[in-house]
Amino acid sequence: GAVVSQHPSRVICKSGTSVKIECRSLDFQATTMFWYRQFPKQSLMLMATSNEGSKATYEQGVEKDKFLINHASLTLSTLTVTSAHPEDSSFYICSAVDSGFSNQPQHFGDGTRLSIL
Amino acid sequence: GENVEQHPSTLSVQEGDSAVIKCTYSDSASNYFPWYKQELGKGPQLIIDIRSNVGEKKDQRIAVTLNKTAKHFSLHITETQPEDSAVYFCAASRGNNRLAFGKGNQVVVIP
Repeated sequence: GAVVSQHPSRVICKSGTSVKIECRSLDFQATTMFWYRQFPKQSLMLMATSNEGSKATYEQGVEKDKFLINHASLTLSTLTVTSAHPEDSSFYICSAVDSGFSNQPQHFGDGTRLSIL
Repeated sequence: GENVEQHPSTLSVQEGDSAVIKCTYSDSASNYFPWYKQELGKGPQLIIDIRSNVGEKKDQRIAVTLNKTAKHFSLHITETQPEDSAVYFCAASRGNNRLAFGKGNQVVVIP
């Protein structure tokens, strides 16, 4: 149980392109999803918290107009990197929490490797 | 905010030996402590977690211990196997489902 699917797994595109990444909870409902960015050999850096039916909460230093988050249903959150540039190249990972209770595990997707040429 | 420190950064063990990774946290209000295993090119996978109302939890070859007084918790892997080689992350939460992660520990199991 508690499977999170992230799609696509890899994207290579030209500078200026907007890229959408999907995060789905397959066998549970997720009121909250998280989006992380991870650089090579480093820990996960939280970008934003996505709450179903409301606006996402962004971490300090993360541009909300650059990284658009939509959480329209209890099983789907999307991250759109708008007008991507080479410095946006990274490994993006989502996670989802089952239900609205506290101290629930975050279940992670397998990440999206984004490469901007 | 919460600060989670993880040591050592790299750990090499002989196959069959035990591996121990230690983490310390700063926020005494933290009450949930998961451990994740991340293999190359994949997302982190939850392997075990512990809540602050218990001191130890075990699942087959994996165990986690928690010392709330000292604010540290440890992951113990016994009878290590090559497939245990990965990066392990500890994390802490104060109950809002938001996690503060350690920097990760590269475990290498030598056959």
